[in-house]
Amino acid sequence: QVQLVESGGGLAKPGGSLRLSCVASGFTLSDYYMSWIRQAPGKGLECVSYMSSSGTYIKYTDSVKGRFTISRDNAKNSLYLQMNSLRAEDTAMYYCARDLAPIGAFDFWGQGNLVTVSS
Amino acid sequence: QSALTQPASVSGSPGQSITISCTGTNSNNINYRDVSWYQQNPGKAPKLMIYEVTNRPSGVSNRFSGSTSGNTASLTISGLQPEDEADYYCSASTTIGTPVIFGGGTKLTVL
Repeated sequence: QVQLVESGGGLAKPGGSLRLSCVASGFTLSDYYMSWIRQAPGKGLECVSYMSSSGTYIKYTDSVKGRFTISRDNAKNSLYLQMNSLRAEDTAMYYCARDLAPIGAFDFWGQGNLVTVSS
Repeated sequence: QSALTQPASVSGSPGQSITISCTGTNSNNINYRDVSWYQQNPGKAPKLMIYEVTNRPSGVSNRFSGSTSGNTASLTISGLQPEDEADYYCSASTTIGTPVIFGGGTKLTVL
């Protein structure tokens, strides 16, 4: 069955870095558009980064441009989010999610990975 | 910047029907044909309930239905049940900036 298993979150200091990983099973990651979506404590959902199935279309929300990088390893069927220059406002639960079709219909989500940025 | 606005909360009694609205602002860049709805229970990942305005993924109850009118999308839950109590989010694709935007979420209370 389809599964997305995330890892790599935790505590980082402001200005620090973390790398989130999302391993897919039950489907081929490169056949789908994928996204990293975050949710700050007690807040709503925000699409942080988005990658097309071909990997040629990549988007970031304005607040993370130049600091976060989405990537994919097809051999490992894995999606990544490299997060640099972390800020307190990046503190959130981060989910990887599969897009049912390239329309923002996320039909499968990872379990979530908490990132806390604090000194 | 385009945005989707939802009411902060709605409530209803078991058996009743409720509707949650999702209104686009600065909405020329929002694709209303791509509206999706998610249900989120505390401590859990969101669950897709409706996509492309009216479509239900396999396994989602037909008590959940979606519609649009102009720049407003709506989620209707009929025959309200206690287990429907959750947060609900709408989303839509956009043509400028972040490819997908979410509404602020609506907390549904089943009285």
